[in-house]
Amino acid sequence: AQTVTQSQPEMSVQEAETVTLSCTYDTSESNYYLFWYKQPPSRQMILVIRQEAYKQQNATENRFSVNFQKAAKSFSLKISDSQLGDTAMYFCAFMNGGSNYKLTFGKGTLLTVNP
Amino acid sequence: DADVTQTPRNRITKTGKRIMLECSQTKGHDRMYWYRQDPGLGLQLIYYSFDVKDINKGEISDGYSVSRQAQAKFSLSLESAIPNQTALYFCATSDRGSGNQPQHFGDGTRLSIL
Repeated sequence: AQTVTQSQPEMSVQEAETVTLSCTYDTSESNYYLFWYKQPPSRQMILVIRQEAYKQQNATENRFSVNFQKAAKSFSLKISDSQLGDTAMYFCAFMNGGSNYKLTFGKGTLLTVNP
Repeated sequence: DADVTQTPRNRITKTGKRIMLECSQTKGHDRMYWYRQDPGLGLQLIYYSFDVKDINKGEISDGYSVSRQAQAKFSLSLESAIPNQTALYFCATSDRGSGNQPQHFGDGTRLSIL
């Protein structure tokens, strides 16, 4: 079974600065996908960014980028120019590329952006 | 209107009651999922369905049942609610196809069982 570990329960950052959230995972699969989801106080689950394991290039979405280290099974999220609206719980998630397409989530990191 | 709609948004009920949470989607996706979120934890999969005739148990299905009434509707039932089923429940959908199709979530149902 796959496991996803987020070792930082809480983090804080000053507005306009850069912060990196850590995620590691354990799998024996070679075909898989990784995601970061954001859950603001409104409790919605919002997709931030995704990465295919077969792609060496790190995914980027505007101010959000990942550092995907396949050998180390690491998938960190970097948020540049942090904004107050980035305050949220961030979940790392793993999806097996096989037939089931189920998501396995980490326990989350609560990020607070301070003015 | 939201693509994935969950009703009710909040519910308070008593131990032993039968509860149904409903989910409907306008995204045309084949796949639908029910998750549970407890404080300080990530989401855990309860049930998932790849089409109307294909329903599968997830990690924590005990005490829950589901019904896929149509492609667009997937309901979750608690036959006899107990306090440790108090949680935030999410429905999600995803499209058929290659594995990187992301899951799209509803706004959640906060369920409190007294």
